[in-house]
Amino acid sequence: DGGITQSPKYLFRKEGQNVTLSCEQNLNHDAMYWYRQDPGQGLRLIYYSQIVNDFQKGDIAEGYSVSREKKESFPLTVTSAQKNPTAFYLCASSSVGASPYNEQFFGPGTRLTVL
Amino acid sequence: KQEVTQIPAALSVPEGENLVLNCSFTDSAIYNLQWFRQDPGKGLTSLLLIQSSQREQTSGRLNASLDKSSGRSTLYIAASQPGDSATYLCAVTDSWGKFQFGAGTQVVVTP
Repeated sequence: DGGITQSPKYLFRKEGQNVTLSCEQNLNHDAMYWYRQDPGQGLRLIYYSQIVNDFQKGDIAEGYSVSREKKESFPLTVTSAQKNPTAFYLCASSSVGASPYNEQFFGPGTRLTVL
Repeated sequence: KQEVTQIPAALSVPEGENLVLNCSFTDSAIYNLQWFRQDPGKGLTSLLLIQSSQREQTSGRLNASLDKSSGRSTLYIAASQPGDSATYLCAVTDSWGKFQFGAGTQVVVTP
């Protein structure tokens, strides 16, 4: 089955710890995205990447880092510099055509809780 | 900066009634508008995507319209069912290929 997988489903972080959230897609999409969702709020963009070895900051990149070494993978690291990381994290991907941009697909999400 | 608004934030209807969900955006220079459904604790499921050159899209009981000039989109769900209970989000794509989301409308369909 084609799709996007995220792991783990639940993650607990202690103060001062870095944690990495995994996102893998087998849809052959060029673009991948990381969003954060807080209760009662819409999605806010953390980072996005439209091609391997290149990525751009979104609206709330501080305290997060990413890498894009493979087309299929776009891991997100939540660093100790992120002061309020408890949230639901969603990974997405889309193809990138000449015009317009195409449909975005989402993974099942990772719920991160700070202990 | 693009701002996307969804009103109302919550909606409750009896089964069988038609649902009308609204999405407005401040910058009409969009490429796409996409409607999603989200169940509690789950990821987003794509429902419909409307290209900027289109005025509407239909899929089964769902119909979405787009009026770029007025910065509005409406999602219609005909003959609602309890299984339609979820949060519905809209998102617009800007010229940089970034998606901007509304906060969503939480829908409850009562039997």
